Amino acid sequence: SQTIHQWPATLVQPVGSPLSLECTVEGTSNPNLYWYRQAAGRGLQLLFYSVGIGQISSEVPQNLSASRPQDRQFILSSKKLLLSDSGFYLCAWSVIGDPYEQYFGPGTRLTVT
Amino acid sequence: KQEVTQIPAALSVPEGENLVLNCSFTDSAIYNLQWFRQDPGKGLTSLLLIQSSQREQTSGRLNASLDKSSGRSTLYIAASQPGDSATYLCAVSSDTGNQFYFGTGTSLTVIP
Repeated sequence: SQTIHQWPATLVQPVGSPLSLECTVEGTSNPNLYWYRQAAGRGLQLLFYSVGIGQISSEVPQNLSASRPQDRQFILSSKKLLLSDSGFYLCAWSVIGDPYEQYFGPGTRLTVT
Repeated sequence: KQEVTQIPAALSVPEGENLVLNCSFTDSAIYNLQWFRQDPGKGLTSLLLIQSSQREQTSGRLNASLDKSSGRSTLYIAASQPGDSATYLCAVSSDTGNQFYFGTGTSLTVIP
């Protein structure tokens, strides 16, 4: 069966510090991978998605970047965090092809102080 | 750009009631629609997926319908239970299936 992992589960970082969040998927190959952010009281915002190694699409301009160094690994990074980067970050995967169902990881709660 | 709206934003019902959650979207060119449940501080759990060629899907006490041409979906929960209390989110995928757009969710409270 497929499993998706995210770490860390929670993170408190000062403004201006770097960020690295990691997501890995087990039990499938060549998945589509996604990073979302959920700010307090707001819906999920798609940040990045990837259809293959080294292929990253960005949905919104922001202080963040994403990389996919391996087939089942997706990393979200920032060089300098802003207060507005606080939120709940969710990684998700879907099989490429019918029916493109999405599965989510447990999330990382990021607080920028 | 696809916009997804969920009404109501919050709903409180007594245990045992049947209820309907609504989801509407602006662009009917979708590949599928997926309903999720989110408990506080947790990730999303997939409940039902309806492909664009389908009209409805059922799982236990849950039934989801899709009217793609009018840009609407409903999630019907029968005989609600306190354990159903959570936020329910709908998401539609782009016509390629690669991108997903979420509504802001309906927060459901089932009162014992």
